[in-house]
Amino acid sequence: GAVVSQHPSWVICKSGTSVKIECRSLDFQATTMFWYRQFPKQSLMLMATSNEGSKATYEQGVEKDKFLINHASLTLSTLTVTSAHPEDSSFYICSASDGQYGYTFGSGTRLTVV
Amino acid sequence: GESVGLHLPTLSVQEGDNSIINCAYSNSASDYFIWYKQESGKGPQFIIDIRSNMDKRQGQRVTVLLNKTVKHLSLQIAATQPGDSAVYFCAEERSNTNAGKSTFGDGTTLTVKP
Repeated sequence: GAVVSQHPSWVICKSGTSVKIECRSLDFQATTMFWYRQFPKQSLMLMATSNEGSKATYEQGVEKDKFLINHASLTLSTLTVTSAHPEDSSFYICSASDGQYGYTFGSGTRLTVV
Repeated sequence: GESVGLHLPTLSVQEGDNSIINCAYSNSASDYFIWYKQESGKGPQFIIDIRSNMDKRQGQRVTVLLNKTVKHLSLQIAATQPGDSAVYFCAEERSNTNAGKSTFGDGTTLTVKP
């Protein structure tokens, strides 16, 4: 079946630095990818929709200048958390769609900002 | 406003028993529903889906029931096993939005006692 790889699986960074998270579709081309954020014991909240070759669409309340999304190819989307602060510590998860009703998620990235 | 919610936050069952996890949704425009399983520290894993033109769908040990009249769906797990212990989310999509853009419910934690 479809496989989505997310890297890194966990990262610790200092406050004020930037962190890049990669999401790759390994065996299919993903015209659309989604980035979610999940706090402990809470549900997944959609942050943005990433479209190959165009700008990402951000959900209400998500700062586009803080969470930079790049979807430069049909198999790779990146999320960069800029000037990270402790409140950005969370579990970030991507999902990829091949244009049909998609449901393939990455394994998630645990970000801890110290 | 729109929401996809779950009736119970936790469910504890004996190994071998059947489990039923419920979910309510509020948007009558929702036409596609998915159940996900999320184990600790991992991304959601697709279990089963159902479209709004169906009332029931069966998979391996799992059955999803959809009642559009009361905007309710349920996930039934037969002969629950310890490996089924996880958080279960229902999610909804609408065909007039990007495929794969899911709105998640709050999640039910299933604990299977040996």
